[in-house]
Amino acid sequence: EVQLVESGGGLVQSGGSLRLSCAASGFIFSDYWMHWVRQAPGKGLVWVSHIHDDGISTSYADSVKGRFTISRDNAKNTLYLQMNSLRAEDTAVYYCAREVRLNGYNPTNHFDHWGQGSLVTVSS
Amino acid sequence: DIQMTQSPSSLSASVGDRVTITCRASQSVSTYLNWYQQKPGKAPKLLIYAASSLQSGVPSRVSGSGSGTDFTLTISSLQPEDFATYYCQQSYSIPMTFGQGTKVEVK
Repeated sequence: EVQLVESGGGLVQSGGSLRLSCAASGFIFSDYWMHWVRQAPGKGLVWVSHIHDDGISTSYADSVKGRFTISRDNAKNTLYLQMNSLRAEDTAVYYCAREVRLNGYNPTNHFDHWGQGSLVTVSS
Repeated sequence: DIQMTQSPSSLSASVGDRVTITCRASQSVSTYLNWYQQKPGKAPKLLIYAASSLQSGVPSRVSGSGSGTDFTLTISSLQPEDFATYYCQQSYSIPMTFGQGTKVEVK
């Protein structure tokens, strides 16, 4: 059974740092691109960052670029999000998600499994 | 960035109703369009990928259609477990943007 379990969330002061982890199990972690998506209280889903299977290529939303760093340890089956210079507007539930990529007649990429989420609260 | 606009933002419906939610992209995303369902306090759940492919385990009353910039999610006969918020997502390009969500409420 595929499982993604986030940890590391909590309360932090504005300007502080936090590192989220996402422990993966039930699949070959090193075969998949992974993502972070966040959701502010009462708001919609916002894509944050992604990382390729080899951990080399990454991308970020403009709102977190230069402050957040995504990484992975394929030997430990774990995805990370290092969050620095946190702001009140970073307050959200952070989800990790697995991307499935399929080629062929009807190519697709989508998030087929999500973690349960980790709440980050930034106090001003 | 590609902007995704859903309509309506919310709707009220009864069990057994046919429900349709639309999603429009600011530029063509081909069929790189996915739909997710989210219930309060829970992670999103994939319903439809590649615009019209039903994810395994999702009931057949749920369907998706469209290509290019205009897409539709339809629930043919609303069931009690379908009251939730629905999001479209384009996976054509980074950033993979989501629509603002459509909340389906009890009438």
